[in-house]
Amino acid sequence: ETGVTQTPRHLVMGMTNKKSLKCEQHLGHNAMYWYKQSAKKPLELMFVYSLEERVENNSVPSRFSPECPNSSHLFLHLHTLQPEDSALYLCASSPDRGLGDTQYFGPGTRLTVL
Amino acid sequence: AQRVTQPEKLLSVFKGAPVELKCNYSYSGSPELFWYVQYSRQRLQLLLRHISRESIKGFTADLNKGETSFHLKKPFAQEEDSAMYYCARWNTGNQFYFGTGTSLTVIP
Repeated sequence: ETGVTQTPRHLVMGMTNKKSLKCEQHLGHNAMYWYKQSAKKPLELMFVYSLEERVENNSVPSRFSPECPNSSHLFLHLHTLQPEDSALYLCASSPDRGLGDTQYFGPGTRLTVL
Repeated sequence: AQRVTQPEKLLSVFKGAPVELKCNYSYSGSPELFWYVQYSRQRLQLLLRHISRESIKGFTADLNKGETSFHLKKPFAQEEDSAMYYCARWNTGNQFYFGTGTSLTVIP
């Protein structure tokens, strides 16, 4: 599959579970992003990675832990989440760092925390 | 503070009618503005950005710094334009904000 892929597409977890979301881009981009999309709220930027280095962390709780092992892969590790963390988590990539670049989005992971 | 405001959650127009989706942003230096679109069962994708000054699928958007607006316009709406539209703002310092989105329905 080309473009930006995300797995799993749906995830249900308990508050004590540990899970990870995976994002992969096949576009040769240097920057990757995690967004959170909650009902009735704007899309919120969570993390930005450029050339595998984190360049932006918008005060996200520590129960969300990103990892970028290389420029093609991005993970979001989840632990001890709260029900209010239930949302659609979107991954995106762009050619270069700097959010002025066009971003290419994945299909998202629908997360439900029980 | 709301950095990007899309006042209309829902907007319905008849096919062939003009459409305008409103977007206002809070002033901060020289922002770059975007419109992203999400069609049914498709992923979010860029529609246009103000710096390109392009017309994409008949849509245009003009940055009005005096009114801090970036409204999206199309003179004749088509059924395939029905989608969710998000206005977004970026400015130096890696600040990037999306609006809450407007769901456009074009009635045949």
